[in-house]
Amino acid sequence: DAKTTQPTSMDCAEGRAANLPCNHSTISGNEYVYWYRQIHSQGPQYIIHGLKNNETNEMASLIITEDRKSSTLILPHATLRDTAVYYCIVRGSGNTGKLIFGQGTTLQVKP
Amino acid sequence: GAVVSQHPSWVICKSGTSVKIECRSLDFQATTMFWYRQFPKQSLMLMATSNEGSKATYEQGVEKDKFLINHASLTLSTLTVTSAHPEDSSFYICSAFGTGWETQYFGPGTRLLVL
Repeated sequence: DAKTTQPTSMDCAEGRAANLPCNHSTISGNEYVYWYRQIHSQGPQYIIHGLKNNETNEMASLIITEDRKSSTLILPHATLRDTAVYYCIVRGSGNTGKLIFGQGTTLQVKP
Repeated sequence: GAVVSQHPSWVICKSGTSVKIECRSLDFQATTMFWYRQFPKQSLMLMATSNEGSKATYEQGVEKDKFLINHASLTLSTLTVTSAHPEDSSFYICSAFGTGWETQYFGPGTRLLVL
């Protein structure tokens, strides 16, 4: 599975958009980009995933560059409850592919 | 989204005892489940992959005789920490896939403290 690189930490003002970058320059053609987040002392929560097209759901938007070597998770209107560690993970298709977690980005949403 | 539960949510035990943690998929059948461990201020570390009706596959460095995994049904996987020691104190988290799904869903975690 391809490795990802994320900034260690970021701050965001409440109500503003939070843009979390992720580099995955060694991603293979059949590998998806997944985003999960972990709020303190809880299990990770699925946010969104994509292959090459941009994706949007009720939680966030995922923008993947055309060469697929990087992506950005966008939380359109961050709230204090969005404070968490955000993990960008690359995984192959099918349900045998493991999710290998890196260190993630600690997002602090400030009032 | 799919719901995965874990029981117990936290457990305290004496050194040398065994502890069993259950992971259940509540509203779907999970052909594959994963077990992770997380130490304070660290990321999740994958311990093993559990497939229903077959032996678990352990990651390198994880002692299979110490961390016994059983996936006896499509909705239940158990992790038994045998002869637990203080260094086994950690946050244990499971995740599950439904058949044909692309997304894993995680349980809330079980916090283990070995005294």
